[in-house]
Amino acid sequence: DAGVIQSPRHEVTEMGQEVTLRCKPISGHDYLFWYRQTMMRGLELLIYFNNNVPIDDSGMPEDRFSAKMPNASFSTLKIQPSEPRDSAVYFCASSWGQGPYNEQFFGPGTRLTVL
Amino acid sequence: GNSVTQMEGPVTLSEEAFLTINCTYTATGYPSLFWYVQYPGEGLQLLLKATKADDKGSNKGFEATYRKETTSFHLEKGSVQVSDSAVYFCALNAAGNKLTFGGGTRVLVKP
Repeated sequence: DAGVIQSPRHEVTEMGQEVTLRCKPISGHDYLFWYRQTMMRGLELLIYFNNNVPIDDSGMPEDRFSAKMPNASFSTLKIQPSEPRDSAVYFCASSWGQGPYNEQFFGPGTRLTVL
Repeated sequence: GNSVTQMEGPVTLSEEAFLTINCTYTATGYPSLFWYVQYPGEGLQLLLKATKADDKGSNKGFEATYRKETTSFHLEKGSVQVSDSAVYFCALNAAGNKLTFGGGTRVLVKP
């Protein structure tokens, strides 16, 4: 398997623009997670899905952020409008099955820079 | 709530030195514990895990023992290599599928 795939790997945009990050989970996995990593705040869980349904979005910072999972093989994280403080590395991860011992598989991340 | 505290880095070592990264946690119930590693420019990958008290996780020469009495899961390696330079994250999962991560510890191994 190719692992979790994220695109783009790097994104540079200007403040106020819409940004869409994409993720393809590992085939067969039923959980998908979006994380944000910054120097100041570390690794934060933004939202996660089970069987394409959002389960917990309590980590989504504000209404400018939205996430969708239209099918089992694709998810998007959208920021509109973007702000400089959104600059971070965004990771997508996927896992299989219910339970606290299951491994999450991470993608390579998208480095977002908002000017 | 659940939380993970790990030692701040960076930790700088010489090749073949002994590595210890401390990790303690606070959680309700009986969490599973994990160490993830992040190499430069990459995503996190699972290094090892333990799912119950006194379990020892091990992989690639790294070990960690789940200590319920001290709520700790310290990571150790007896002889590090330059290729072990990375950021190491301690994490727990107390229920469901949500991971709670520590702040990460950067390790730099010099030849």
